[in-house]
Amino acid sequence: GAVVSQHPSWVICKSGTSVKIECRSLDFQATTMFWYRQFPKQSLMLMATSNEGSKATYEQGVEKDKFLINHASLTLSTLTVTSAHPEDSSFYICSARDTLLDTQYFGPGTRLTVL
Amino acid sequence: AQTVTQSQPEMSVQEAETVTLSCTYDTSESDYYLFWYKQPPSRQMILVIRQEAYKQQNATENRFSVNFQKAAKSFSLKISDSQLGDAAMYFCAYRSYNAGNMLTFGGGTRLMVKP
Repeated sequence: GAVVSQHPSWVICKSGTSVKIECRSLDFQATTMFWYRQFPKQSLMLMATSNEGSKATYEQGVEKDKFLINHASLTLSTLTVTSAHPEDSSFYICSARDTLLDTQYFGPGTRLTVL
Repeated sequence: AQTVTQSQPEMSVQEAETVTLSCTYDTSESDYYLFWYKQPPSRQMILVIRQEAYKQQNATENRFSVNFQKAAKSFSLKISDSQLGDAAMYFCAYRSYNAGNMLTFGGGTRLMVKP
């Protein structure tokens, strides 16, 4: 299957700093990417849908000014957690939609810990 | 809005035996997709099987098969000849045919495989 990478795989930061997470589709172009958040022993919660060249669509309850999403190319979307706080600590997963195969492929996730 | 329910938080199966994971969903749409994803301890989401709602035939992928009951809005996953590597979280997911391509996940079922 297609490969989606995420970088970094884990990050520890201090409260108040910003953290950027990258999501790349390595062998296909993705006009649409998705960002999820997963708390321990829970399911994936969709945060936002990222469309190449346009503004992201955020799910209800997700602060767009706190979770900045940029999808500047067909292979890269970034999620920036601004002014991170301990409650932002979580596992963040991206997925990318292969338009040709009409299938979503998931990245390996990024564990964010905010001290 | 669509909802996906997995009523079994945990399931256990003996190696080489068969286990069935349950999933029900609620939708007013007639065209949609259903998926089963596996999330092993690495937390990488892996697509197990996919079913298009317009297809009456149940999808099969090697040891994995589904029982899709559209009228009952039920989509169970059967794992035959269970292997130790099948131990993971399993998520059922729904996707609309047209709108947004976003996935709605169930709460997950943790499958344990006993040697």
